[in-house]
Amino acid sequence: EAGVAQSPRYKIIEKRQSVAFWCNPISGHATLYWYQQILGQGPKLLIQFQNNGVVDDSQLPKDRFSAERLKGVDSTLKIQPAKLEDSAVYLCASSLADRENTFGSGTRLTVV
Amino acid sequence: GENVEQHPSTLSVQEGDSAVIKCTYSDSASNYFPWYKQELGKRPQLIIDIRSNVGEKKDQRIAVTLNKTAKHFSLHITETQPEDSAVYFCAASTRGSTLGRLYFGRGTQLTVWP
Repeated sequence: EAGVAQSPRYKIIEKRQSVAFWCNPISGHATLYWYQQILGQGPKLLIQFQNNGVVDDSQLPKDRFSAERLKGVDSTLKIQPAKLEDSAVYLCASSLADRENTFGSGTRLTVV
Repeated sequence: GENVEQHPSTLSVQEGDSAVIKCTYSDSASNYFPWYKQELGKRPQLIIDIRSNVGEKKDQRIAVTLNKTAKHFSLHITETQPEDSAVYFCAASTRGSTLGRLYFGRGTQLTVWP
């Protein structure tokens, strides 16, 4: 089966600019997650979708981060405006109900 | 929410030796404990997982043990090889509910010297 697809792989932006990341989960996976992984740390959940509904966004900095999952398939994560501390790898993952998370390759964001 | 602590942060072993990584969790409702391996610049990949209804699980050179009373679980790698070198993450989750989010530890950098 095809894996979780993410784009772009790398992005460099200046602080206060905006950026968007895209994720296409494994076909049939109803649950989609966005994680932030800062260098030297474990992934931290930003938002979890079940189909096109938000299940958990308690750790999402809503003043600058937004995410949507239209039609319950693809998802986009946006940051506007970006800060230096947003530099991280943004990982998308998907899962079937009660099964393990399968991760995409991630987008490495550098904010300068 | 759940808090997962992982130790050690770095671990160096000689090829052929065993490696042990330990994690503790805080939420007694957690019932699913996966371990992920992440090579440099690559995605985390599931290597083994355990549910709270079993105490131990093995898969070739890898085993995981779980002590629900003490709220800790460990990863054991035997006969280590240089290709085992990577960052290993433990995680905890309450599976089977709509809030099945994973809480990750900070990771252990394992280096296996030939």
